[in-house]
Amino acid sequence: DTAVSQTPKYLVTQMGNDKSIKCEQNLGHDTMYWYKQDSKKFLKIMFSYNNKELIINETVPNRFSPKSPDKAHLNLHINSLELGDSAVYFCASSQGVRGHYEQYFGPGTRLTVT
Amino acid sequence: KQEVTQIPAALSVPEGENLVLNCSFTDSAIYNLQWFRQDPGKGLTSLLLIQSSQREQTSGRLNASLDKSSGRSTLYIAASQPGDSATYLCAVSGYQLIWGAGTKLIIKP
Repeated sequence: DTAVSQTPKYLVTQMGNDKSIKCEQNLGHDTMYWYKQDSKKFLKIMFSYNNKELIINETVPNRFSPKSPDKAHLNLHINSLELGDSAVYFCASSQGVRGHYEQYFGPGTRLTVT
Repeated sequence: KQEVTQIPAALSVPEGENLVLNCSFTDSAIYNLQWFRQDPGKGLTSLLLIQSSQREQTSGRLNASLDKSSGRSTLYIAASQPGDSATYLCAVSGYQLIWGAGTKLIIKP
């Protein structure tokens, strides 16, 4: 049983295109996150939603727009893709919004912009 | 601002050795600390989570310790195996998770 799933697993696209990554969790969690892992393997949080409301919005270009249609889904839409957007994007979820809740991660989406 | 450092960045040891991976953090006001494993081209697997009130957690051959006052955690791997080869990441939880850059571990058969 997949707890946190992401689609697609791999995404190769050209500069200037618009793409979306989808995330779903079946854990009944209230909070979901998007992380970016760059080429140096460093993970940084991008966004966090709690009960469909945005609670963390780090310094991310406004070309990135998260959307949470319900508690179980958090999608990431990226406009006008740039070379520097190439990275692995991880979705995660946790039971609550505070840091003492364990986060569960999806398998990641490897985005390559050419 | 919380900063997390993992030393060493890479480690190569023969199979069967016991080893220790280190994680240090600058702000002791944390809720918990997690150790993750990442295999090449794959996702993140949570190994151990230590709440701020705990000193250690154990799972099989893995033991993680936490010394909040000194801002340090260690991940001890006993009797290492080639299958333990991966990148090990630690993350500390305040308002959000702050990550170290990881230790790339290679276990030589």
